[in-house]
Amino acid sequence: KAGVTQTPRYLIKTRGQQVTLSCSPISGHRSVSWYQQTPGQGLQFLFEYFSETQRNKGNFPGRFSGRQFSNSRSEMNVSTLELGDSALYLCASSADRTNTGELFFGEGSRLTVL
Amino acid sequence: SQQGEEDPQALSIQEGENATMNCSYKTSINNLQWYRQNSGRGLVHLILIRSNEREKHSGRLRVTLDTSKKSSSLLITASRAADTASYFCATAQGGNTPLVFGKGTRLSVIA
Repeated sequence: KAGVTQTPRYLIKTRGQQVTLSCSPISGHRSVSWYQQTPGQGLQFLFEYFSETQRNKGNFPGRFSGRQFSNSRSEMNVSTLELGDSALYLCASSADRTNTGELFFGEGSRLTVL
Repeated sequence: SQQGEEDPQALSIQEGENATMNCSYKTSINNLQWYRQNSGRGLVHLILIRSNEREKHSGRLRVTLDTSKKSSSLLITASRAADTASYFCATAQGGNTPLVFGKGTRLSVIA
């Protein structure tokens, strides 16, 4: 079974631009979560989707958005990039309906904002 | 917001020694999970312990959970250089709330 796939793995943007990150979960997993990881803040929860519905949202500004498609693939978008958005963005999928099970992580998308 | 807080933030030991990392959390939980992250990579699930369990083993890993103290510990026995990584605890509260991670313990195992 293929693992969680995130694309792109690395990207460099400039302030004010926008970026879209993609995540393909493990086949059969309907829950996809996104986390932002920075050295200072650790792993911060962004949002979680289950069966195309946003089920949870973290404490991030509206510049951060996401969606999930009918095949469970998910995208997140960050508009009007700021220097502080530089981070490793991690996607995780789960077969669990209740958010109590194991998460399977992708390798992440490392975003650098100049 | 961070639910789990790991201690110590960093740990350096010799190969063959045991490594112990601790995690404290604030609210009641359904279960607590430990993950490992090699530098700049994704996280890998290690072990899950439910709130009604006190101890769990998996290979060289031993996890304990004390719900009265809201704390957990991860013990890695006979450590190897390949165990060098960051280790995170994560708490699951249930009720569809997301898994919340601590800031991690960075373990260095010196050969």
